[in-house]
Amino acid sequence: QKEVEQNSGPLSVPEGAIASLNCTYSDRGSQSFFWYRQYSGKSPELIMFIYSNGDKEDGRFTAQLNKASQYVSLLIRDSQPSDSATYLCAVKRSFGNEKLTFGTGTRLTIIP
Amino acid sequence: GAVVSQHPSRVICKSGTSVKIECRSLDFQATTMFWYRQFPKQSLMLMATSNEGSKATYEQGVEKDKFLINHASLTLSTLTVTSAHPEDSSFYICSARASETQYFGPGTRLLVL
Repeated sequence: QKEVEQNSGPLSVPEGAIASLNCTYSDRGSQSFFWYRQYSGKSPELIMFIYSNGDKEDGRFTAQLNKASQYVSLLIRDSQPSDSATYLCAVKRSFGNEKLTFGTGTRLTIIP
Repeated sequence: GAVVSQHPSRVICKSGTSVKIECRSLDFQATTMFWYRQFPKQSLMLMATSNEGSKATYEQGVEKDKFLINHASLTLSTLTVTSAHPEDSSFYICSARASETQYFGPGTRLLVL
């Protein structure tokens, strides 16, 4: 079992709809969770992080965390063509210098 | 805030030469930086964790004598690819830790001929 799993996609969503990206992790000791967006040929950029169970909203983005189910998701409302990218889920086991463990990413395409 | 730069953005070199890549945190101090490598259509692979003032911690399978890391100050880490070969051609990306979050540099695309 991979430490962090994501559906590789591609996930196609019509413009204006909600895109839902999912991620599961295997280590129950994981404490912090991150979503990065990576455009083709570019480096990842941070979208959101979440530490506590529940929802965290930032503009059109909502991160959802369920530690009991070891599940974290990212919702993108009112999807735009500029949201087309690969979305990387990353998990960190503890607070401090611990490294991030990345999923393989989900490729999202927003269809105009 | 939390801006990370890398230099150069792109480099082409001959096989057998060494290449140095710089990673700088521009508006914050980073005691910890990370070096990743990404091959086309593949995920990020962590190569090493760089800690200011101490030796880097390398991931399993990464040759520390080939990929030299120096984190001499709180804003600068360097990765030197020694005796580069065509199979080292890749996208090298650094990140710096600010609080509990990693911020990535723009990456360096290395092509070894």
